[in-house]
Amino acid sequence: DVKVTQSSRYLVKRTGEKVFLECVQDMDHENMFWYRQDPGLGLRLIYFSYDVKMKEKGDIPEGYSVSREKKERFSLILESASTNQTSMYLCASKQGSSYNSPLHFGNGTRLTVT
Amino acid sequence: SQKIEQNSEALNIQEGKTATLTCNYTNYSPAYLQWYRQDPGRGPVFLLLIRENEKEKRKERLKVTFDTTLKQSLFHITASQPADSATYLCALDEGRALTFGKGTMLLVSP
Repeated sequence: DVKVTQSSRYLVKRTGEKVFLECVQDMDHENMFWYRQDPGLGLRLIYFSYDVKMKEKGDIPEGYSVSREKKERFSLILESASTNQTSMYLCASKQGSSYNSPLHFGNGTRLTVT
Repeated sequence: SQKIEQNSEALNIQEGKTATLTCNYTNYSPAYLQWYRQDPGRGPVFLLLIRENEKEKRKERLKVTFDTTLKQSLFHITASQPADSATYLCALDEGRALTFGKGTMLLVSP
């Protein structure tokens, strides 16, 4: 079974702090994704990566950056945390570039920015 | 860009009945459509995928239909159980990543 592990379940940070959210997958998947999920807005794509050192912007990349130095690890960085970045962050991975590969999600990191 | 609509109101049904959830989409002709289940505080879990040339797909008590003319997918759970209570998300691949609907909460009462 694919396992996607997010380093923290809950995180509380102050406005202006630099925040790192870490995600590791154990199935050698090429593709990795970061979504955020908010009530009434659903899941929104922040960034994704289809290979090591490659990244592409999703629908809401502003205020975020990512890093993929190793295939199994995909980090989401909040350069200067703001209260509107309080959210549930979900990491996912997918094998290959085929449309019919399902996403495997981690259990999320609930980030609160005060 | 893709717009996906799922009923935002929770669906309440009694145990043993069939639950039917709807997913409508616009502005795209997807080759595939996926359904996920999400429990509170957890990440979504993949359930079923249906291709555009498949009218129907089944897996145990789950059935998905895909009508590309109506731009609609229906997700059915037969003989529903309280353990089926969760939020169900449909998702379409726009060629780079999945776009999700906001999900419909299903509540199955004993």
